[in-house]
Amino acid sequence: AQTVTQSQPEMSVQEAETVTLSCTYDTSESDYYLFWYKQPPSRQMILVIRQEAYKQQNATENRFSVNFQKAAKSFSLKISDSQLGDAAMYFCAPKGQFYFGTGTSLTVIP
Amino acid sequence: DAGVIQSPRHEVTEMGQEVTLRCKPISGHNSLFWYRQTMMRGLELLIYFNNNVPIDDSGMPEDRFSAKMPNASFSTLKIQPSEPRDSAVYFCASSLRQGAGNTIYFGEGSWLTVV
Repeated sequence: AQTVTQSQPEMSVQEAETVTLSCTYDTSESDYYLFWYKQPPSRQMILVIRQEAYKQQNATENRFSVNFQKAAKSFSLKISDSQLGDAAMYFCAPKGQFYFGTGTSLTVIP
Repeated sequence: DAGVIQSPRHEVTEMGQEVTLRCKPISGHNSLFWYRQTMMRGLELLIYFNNNVPIDDSGMPEDRFSAKMPNASFSTLKIQPSEPRDSAVYFCASSLRQGAGNTIYFGEGSWLTVV
């Protein structure tokens, strides 16, 4: 089974500051897709950002960006200018819909 | 456009009872997924369908669990008999087509409590 590690169960960030959530994984595939999902208190899973492994350029989506290190099998999520609405659980999914990390709970401090 | 629709949103049932969770995927999506989320085990893929055909049910925990997709717009996840350890949030999700690169869209989840 594929392993996905999110080593930070909880993180906090001051509003308007930047925070980085880490994710490492193990795969033998060379071409794959990676996702970050957000789960607010409502519990619905929402796509944050998507990265294609064959692309060297890191994906960005407004205030969200990734640092994808293919050789190191690392896929971190950076949230810039953090807002109160960013408070949620964040899940890394390095093989699309098949495997999810255990999540990082992000608190945003006003 | 309507998203993935799940019902019931909340269910409390007694141990031993049959539980049926329902899902309507996004229209035009060909792949459907059932997940279970618990504090202990996180988010687990139970089973997924492609074009109404079950492709991988290796995540289904026991024979008490079964899933069907009789047509492109409806799927059920059934637990019979239910046990307290089945208490969890069950998510249904769909994607346009099969393949790990496709974005999946989640429903709001069905919160199941077995007492």
